[in-house]
Amino acid sequence: KAGVTQTPRYLIKTRGQQVTLSCSPISGHRSVSWYQQTPGQGLQFLFEYFSETQRNKGNFPGRFSGRQFSNSRSEMNVSTLELGDSALYLCASSHRTGKSNTGELFFGEGSRLTVL
Amino acid sequence: GESVGLHLPTLSVQEGDNSIINCAYSNSASDYFIWYKQESGKGPQFIIDIRSNMDKRQGQRVTVLLNKTVKHLSLQIAATQPGDSAVYFCAEMGSGQAGTALIFGKGTTLSVSS
Repeated sequence: KAGVTQTPRYLIKTRGQQVTLSCSPISGHRSVSWYQQTPGQGLQFLFEYFSETQRNKGNFPGRFSGRQFSNSRSEMNVSTLELGDSALYLCASSHRTGKSNTGELFFGEGSRLTVL
Repeated sequence: GESVGLHLPTLSVQEGDNSIINCAYSNSASDYFIWYKQESGKGPQFIIDIRSNMDKRQGQRVTVLLNKTVKHLSLQIAATQPGDSAVYFCAEMGSGQAGTALIFGKGTTLSVSS
């Protein structure tokens, strides 16, 4: 069974640009969540999608957005990039359904974004 | 507010020793806790989880202990191996919260020397 796939793995952007990151969850997983990882702030929750609906959102500005498609694949977008957006963006999928808050999250290897 | 922290940023052990990684959490309403391992260049990998109605849970070479009285979580790794070298994170989820919004601690880097 293929794991969580994230593309691109590495990318470099300049301030003011926008970026779109893609995540393909494990087959059959309907929940996809995104996390930002930086040396200073650690792993921080961005948002979660379940069945094409945003179910939870972390404390990030509106420049960070996402969506989920009917095949459960997800994208996140960051507009008007700032230097502080440089980070590893991790996607995780889960077989969790309904209101359950337990169950393993399977993480991809991340997309490393560098903003110059 | 909610926060999950670790007592030590680094831990160095010899191969074969037992390792104990600690984590303190502040939200007494949290009812689900997970330990993750992250190797260099990879995403976090699930190790073990525990619900608040349990004090201890064992996996293969790993044991998680939960002390709700002092809001403390620990991960014990038996017979530590060089392959266990990684950053270890604890994470929590609040009671009644649906979905997958985990709150992660800052991580402990475990270095195993042979």
